[in-house]
Amino acid sequence: DAKTTQPTSMDCAEGRAANLPCNHSTISGNEYVYWYRQIHSQGPQYIIHGLKNNETNEMASLIITEDRKSSTLILPHATLRDTAVYYCIVIAGGTSYGKLTFGQGTILTVHP
Amino acid sequence: DTEVTQTPKHLVMGMTNKKSLKCEQHMGHRAMYWYKQKAKKPPELMFVYSYEKLSINESVPSRFSPECPNSSLLNLHLHALQPEDSALYLCASSQVTVTGKLFFGSGTQLSVL
Repeated sequence: DAKTTQPTSMDCAEGRAANLPCNHSTISGNEYVYWYRQIHSQGPQYIIHGLKNNETNEMASLIITEDRKSSTLILPHATLRDTAVYYCIVIAGGTSYGKLTFGQGTILTVHP
Repeated sequence: DTEVTQTPKHLVMGMTNKKSLKCEQHMGHRAMYWYKQKAKKPPELMFVYSYEKLSINESVPSRFSPECPNSSLLNLHLHALQPEDSALYLCASSQVTVTGKLFFGSGTQLSVL
């Protein structure tokens, strides 16, 4: 699976949009981009995933560049409860048996 | 019900003890996983079960013994652990065909004395 690079930490004001970048320049054509987050003392939580089109759900939006070498997770109106470690993971579809390789992630801190 | 339930939430054991961690899900998922997370580190895969059969063992020491007695339950049997095995043990499940979308439990925080 392709390696991902994320900033170590980011800050965001409550109510503002949080934009979390991820670089995956070696991504292959059959690899998906997944985002998870982990709030302190809890298990990771799935947020969203995509292959090449932009995706949106009730939690977030995922913007993938046309060359697929990078992506951005957008939390449109961050709240204090969004403070967590955010992981960007690249995984091949179909045969990867849930073998998620977590990097160090981005620590997002949402301030009042 | 989109919950994965792990018990116990906390466990303290000595190096000569035998204990078991339990995990349960009722989402009809036929793939289940054990991950290990050391303090301030990301989770790491230990085992994968698919249709109740062990399909991946990430070179985990034999003092960790997984078991999948049915499609809803996953156990991790622990024996003769070392202090460095202290960690958060996470169980997860997924549909077999959507292998990147996992549902995680809250984990068992294990301390080995």
